[in-house]
Amino acid sequence: DGGITQSPKYLFRKEGQNVTLSCEQNLNHDAMYWYRQDPGQGLRLIYYSQIVNDFQKGDIAEGYSVSREKKESFPLTVTSAQKNPTAFYLCASSIETGINEQFFGPGTRLTVL
Amino acid sequence: AQSVAQPEDQVNVAEGNPLTVKCTYSVSGNPYLFWYVQYPNRGLQFLLKYITGDNLVKGSYGFEAEFNKSQTSFHLKKPSALVSDSALYFCAVRDLNYGGATNKLIFGTGTLLAVQP
Repeated sequence: DGGITQSPKYLFRKEGQNVTLSCEQNLNHDAMYWYRQDPGQGLRLIYYSQIVNDFQKGDIAEGYSVSREKKESFPLTVTSAQKNPTAFYLCASSIETGINEQFFGPGTRLTVL
Repeated sequence: AQSVAQPEDQVNVAEGNPLTVKCTYSVSGNPYLFWYVQYPNRGLQFLLKYITGDNLVKGSYGFEAEFNKSQTSFHLKKPSALVSDSALYFCAVRDLNYGGATNKLIFGTGTLLAVQP
């Protein structure tokens, strides 16, 4: 899991509540990514950020929000507008220059009760 | 549109036998291809990547992958499977059309590898 940490590992939320997932990296990577993983669907990109104070929507951004105030941190908020938030959430980072792999955190499993 | 396909949801192989996990891609330019492995309830771990050069790429844990431009494939292989290789494997291609993020990836749906003792 490299130098990327995600917390908490498990998270339970009641319907109608917002919840924030933490992602921190100490790899000095410029780019960071949030993915959602559901069984049989692979990884789907929620948001990504190439640089501090800038981020772009991915393929399934509705119901989610992010911030990138520090290079090391890229928190994801799952809002009450996300209709089906129960999933496994993965954070990743990469060096932006050149062709480089992404490094992944250990993931957060969110369950809506 | 760029895409990557993993045609097999699951691959079963006996321990000690060679294994192959298939991946095909569709891109508009030069393909930059990656393989990752995921163990249950864990993040993805990078195995190997193809950028250019030798069509046979060697990676971690004894895995290798063969790039075939004419068949647009990038199959993952290992000469002798271990029970501990049992996991979910993802193929990915760098998204060349997504403005800005040079290392944004498009992932396949994953192939579950089951190695029987």
